[in-house]
Amino acid sequence: TQLLEQSPQFLSIQEGENLTVYCNSSSVFSSLQWYRQEPGEGPVLLVTVVTGGEVKKLKRLTFQFGDARKDSSLHITAAQPGDTGLYLCAGDDGGATNKLIFGTGTLLAVQP
Amino acid sequence: NAGVTQTPKFQVLKTGQSMTLQCAQDMNHNSMYWYRQDPGMGLRLIYYSASEGTTDKGEVPNGYNVSRLNKREFSLRLESAAPSQTSVYFCASSEDWTANQPQHFGDGTRLSIL
Repeated sequence: TQLLEQSPQFLSIQEGENLTVYCNSSSVFSSLQWYRQEPGEGPVLLVTVVTGGEVKKLKRLTFQFGDARKDSSLHITAAQPGDTGLYLCAGDDGGATNKLIFGTGTLLAVQP
Repeated sequence: NAGVTQTPKFQVLKTGQSMTLQCAQDMNHNSMYWYRQDPGMGLRLIYYSASEGTTDKGEVPNGYNVSRLNKREFSLRLESAAPSQTSVYFCASSEDWTANQPQHFGDGTRLSIL
C-alpha cells in the first residue's frame, strides 16, 4: 500500500516568515500534485510535478519533486495570512490512471 | 461557474438510517470521485467512476454504494449509517481518467451519525 506522510502536521507562524512542508513516501510516484484547502471548502489544485528533480514556482510558493520521485516539498517565502489553510500532497497510484493517494495534510496558520 | 455542486451541505443521521449524497458537475467531465476526509488522515477514496456507465471501489468502499446517474451526476448512498461514517464527504471530477488530470472538488457534505 502506498502511503504519503506529510510533515509537519501543524505549523503556526508569523506573517513574513518562511516555511517548508514535506511530503514523503517509500514508493515511487510518476507525478505529485499539491492542493490547498480552506475551511469549509474543497481542495484546490496548486501544481502538478511530473519529472524527478523538477522545480515549479507559483509566486511565493516553490514546489520541488525529489530526484527519485519519492518525495516532494513546498516552500513558502514571506508567508501571508492568505496562505493559511490545509496543504495536501497527492500522488498517482502508479497505474497510469487519475486515481490519487492523498497525504495526511499540513495545517498552516499564518498570524498577522 | 458552479463547478462541482454537492447537496446537502450538512446532515445529521441516527445509526441505521439511510441517505444519499448528491453530486453534480457542469464541466462536461468524464471521471468522478467520492472521498471522505477525517482528521489526520487526508482524503481517502471511497468509489470512483472513470467514465459514464462504470463505477469501481476505492480504498474504503465498505458501507457505501454509488450510482453514476448520467455524465453530470454521481451519487453516494449509505444504506445503514454507522457512527464510523461520521466524516466530511467530498465529490470531485476530472476531465478524464488519464494520469495527472487536476481534480475539481465540491465544498463537501458534513455528515454526523449519532
